[in-house]
Amino acid sequence: RKEVEQDPGPFNVPEGATVAFNCTYSNSASQSFFWYRQDCRKEPKLLMSVYSSGNEDGRFTAQLNRASQYISLLIRDSKLSDSATYLCVVNRTPNYGGSQGNLIFGKGTKLSVKP
Amino acid sequence: DGGITQSPKYLFRKEGQNVTLSCEQNLNHDAMYWYRQDPGQGLRLIYYSQIVNDFQKGDIAEGYSVSREKKESFPLTVTSAQKNPTAFYLCASSIPGSWETQYFGPGTRLLVL
Repeated sequence: RKEVEQDPGPFNVPEGATVAFNCTYSNSASQSFFWYRQDCRKEPKLLMSVYSSGNEDGRFTAQLNRASQYISLLIRDSKLSDSATYLCVVNRTPNYGGSQGNLIFGKGTKLSVKP
Repeated sequence: DGGITQSPKYLFRKEGQNVTLSCEQNLNHDAMYWYRQDPGQGLRLIYYSQIVNDFQKGDIAEGYSVSREKKESFPLTVTSAQKNPTAFYLCASSIPGSWETQYFGPGTRLLVL
């Protein structure tokens, strides 16, 4: 299994649709999970962290299932401005090279919201 | 305004040439990172530094070098040993206690002539 694997995409949806992205990760010791958003030819920006209890930020809901090593992002009432690539990000285990803050990025899922 | 700046936005490298990508931050962040992104691929970690005068190799350090002489600056040199340097290079920074919340610069696109 790849370290972080995402739905291949692209997702082409009409405005107002609800869309869900899935992500799986291989290392059960990973402790921190995130969704980043990356616009075309731009830098990634943190969208939201993902907590075990699930968390919501407006139209965005993130869920974590540790037992299945699965992360999801749900976008409700899609807007044209939601069009971007969504990156699933997981931290490396703490013992990797004695480092902290090292992240593993998925390849991303491209979302295109159409009028 | 606080943030991370990278320069240049586009950089062209000739065969056998070393080039240096600049990354500066005024966020007072201790940790800084360099990533490489290829089309359709996830970001891959090249080097990172958690404190001045210290840095560690990431997953793909071969053909690259860095320095961290100042807290604000973390330049990346792409050496001639890097045989496939064409990519989008992203610099990021973070603060202690929130290492995984990384703020990215706008990136530098490196192309080989």
